[in-house]
Amino acid sequence: AQKITQTQPGMFVQEKEAVTLDCTYDTSDPSYGLFWYKQPSSGEMIFLIYQGSYDQQNATEGRYSLNFQKARKSANLVISASQLGDSAMYFCAMREPNNAGNMLTFGGGTRLMVKP
Amino acid sequence: DAEITQSPRHKITETGRQVTLACHQTWNHNNMFWYRQDLGHGLRLIHYSYGVHDTNKGEVSDGYSVSRSNTEDLPLTLESAASSQTSVYFCASSAGAEETGELFFGEGSRLTVL
Repeated sequence: AQKITQTQPGMFVQEKEAVTLDCTYDTSDPSYGLFWYKQPSSGEMIFLIYQGSYDQQNATEGRYSLNFQKARKSANLVISASQLGDSAMYFCAMREPNNAGNMLTFGGGTRLMVKP
Repeated sequence: DAEITQSPRHKITETGRQVTLACHQTWNHNNMFWYRQDLGHGLRLIHYSYGVHDTNKGEVSDGYSVSRSNTEDLPLTLESAASSQTSVYFCASSAGAEETGELFFGEGSRLTVL
């Protein structure tokens, strides 16, 4: 069974609008970490944001925020005020506590396209 | 600045040949990983290492091997390349579990097996 599911293969958003990228996860452990990475067309993987399962507040990093709904096992990425440079692939990933070495399991990704 | 580098960035080889992709990090991280990226599959873990002389199989390890003789390097070897191994390969490293566990990625190596 997939541990990380990203149901939106591709999305469009108008420049300057906000967009939400969906991510659901599956784990039975109470302690885990959730990550979002951005992959622009140049190919590199860029870390965006992290949420620990015990964190009381949703993580935020500049224009990025993570809408963490623990009971629903969802960790959606919200990008506010979209910019043309936000056009990229976005990957959600999870670290489970039995992975002491911080191995991450990735979702299939969502391609975001920002329209001018 | 610390970094993680992969070489070669692009390689074309033939079926049956042995190929080695190099990965070198200067973060002094104990943990290193190899992932492959294919359309529709995201990134899938091939092998990983938690320290010198430690190696472990990931989700898609068949046909691949790694060795860890020092902290800085984790080369990935395809013993007999197959067309199904045409992919983009990413090396990554991370600090210990006491930190958030962010992975630092190399630039990727695009391998084509003809």
